[in-house]
Amino acid sequence: TAGITQAPTSQILAAGRSMTLRCTQDMRHNAMYWYRQDLGLGLRLIHYSNTAGTTGKGEVPDGYSVSRANTDDFPLTLASAVPSQTSVYFCASSVQTGSYGYTFGSGTRLTVV
Amino acid sequence: GQNIDQPTEMTATEGAIVQINCTYQTSGFNGLFWYQQHAGEAPTFLSYNVLDGLEEKGRFSSFLSRSKGYSYLLLKELQMKDSASYLCAVMDSNYQLIWGAGTKLIIKP
Repeated sequence: TAGITQAPTSQILAAGRSMTLRCTQDMRHNAMYWYRQDLGLGLRLIHYSNTAGTTGKGEVPDGYSVSRANTDDFPLTLASAVPSQTSVYFCASSVQTGSYGYTFGSGTRLTVV
Repeated sequence: GQNIDQPTEMTATEGAIVQINCTYQTSGFNGLFWYQQHAGEAPTFLSYNVLDGLEEKGRFSSFLSRSKGYSYLLLKELQMKDSASYLCAVMDSNYQLIWGAGTKLIIKP
């Protein structure tokens, strides 16, 4: 089934450790996004990529980095995790920036202790 | 700043109709979206409005008034499977989505 695959599904991470959340899509979408979702708050954009080779900062980029070496993959790295990064992380994609109907991955539930 | 407001929680009865409101203040407007999110799952796309008026899609309809910064999602003939959170989002002048916190809809038999 075409879509977005995120890994891992969930993770408990010690504070100070690094981790990469993986995101792969097979729809050949140009635009990809990383969001975090916290209780009582809307989805907040961390980083985005309009096309392979380019990335941009969203609303809450601090403590996170991304890369977009090719169309399909958009990993999110936490260099040194802190407890405030405990959240559910969603990767999403769209045909291009500004198009509607974002497709979301199933999410990664991250707990930093 | 940019802001999307929607009620935190609503309760309705199976078979009834419910209207979920959303008001917004954003820098620019390039469309308003409604997504459905079941607990523990990813959001899924429901509807898109860019012009004023009503868009109908089966049991779900979405309305937009750009002059009032207002939208609603209307769900008819409610089913138990409609129990979910409903997320309102606006695409701003930079073509990024600004999300509301979501409305948790509880359906009772």
